[in-house]
Amino acid sequence: QSVLTQPPSVSGAPGQRVTISCTGSSSNIGAVYDVHWYQQLPGTAPKLLIYKNNNRPSGVPDRFSGSKSGTSASLAISGLQAEDEADYYCQSYDSRLSGSVFGGGTKLTVL
Amino acid sequence: QVQLQESGPGLVKPSETLSLTCTVSGYSISSGYFWGWIRQPPGKGLEWIGSIFHSGNTYYKSSLKSRVSISVDTSKNQFSLKLSSVTAADTAVYYCARLPPNDYGSWFDPWGQGTLVTVSS
Repeated sequence: QSVLTQPPSVSGAPGQRVTISCTGSSSNIGAVYDVHWYQQLPGTAPKLLIYKNNNRPSGVPDRFSGSKSGTSASLAISGLQAEDEADYYCQSYDSRLSGSVFGGGTKLTVL
Repeated sequence: QVQLQESGPGLVKPSETLSLTCTVSGYSISSGYFWGWIRQPPGKGLEWIGSIFHSGNTYYKSSLKSRVSISVDTSKNQFSLKLSSVTAADTAVYYCARLPPNDYGSWFDPWGQGTLVTVSS
């Protein structure tokens, strides 16, 4: 069981907007720690999508956005495209565990 | 740009030690940053194993601490993972990655392509 909780799956039609939640606790997201998001396309290594809650690395489309509030964070994907079909993971730091923690991952299906 | 590449045996026998190396190109490890290992069992999620600072300070996942060792060789621009007493549960794709310093928790970027290690007799 992961320290950060994500829905196992979400889906949406092309052009729609979907959100993926990441719920933590007072020792990670609810504390001062940042949340980061990764996209993992089938058969490939994870790729950084959002860092420090709401920052996009160079090259990541602005269709992807992140937010954090309280003990939760969210990744929003607007204008859904077929190429967005992938697994998405959130990640933060946990002070009680003294290390990085990941969510269990969410599989996005583009209908 | 910075690139990372994992290397090591793809098959390890139960109770033996898994050894992997990550070779960094496009950036000198001794210049800074943290460097980490993450693994992903087949069909499952990501698990942080541990990280090392360029100076050699190490940080390990508590549940793996008794079996894990991460070291850095600045002369070869590499860092390495050793995981002892492996079982089938250690079968996974192992990734190495760079972590920038951040007061509120670092992120992993970039990642190596990953290497599958199977534990089996």
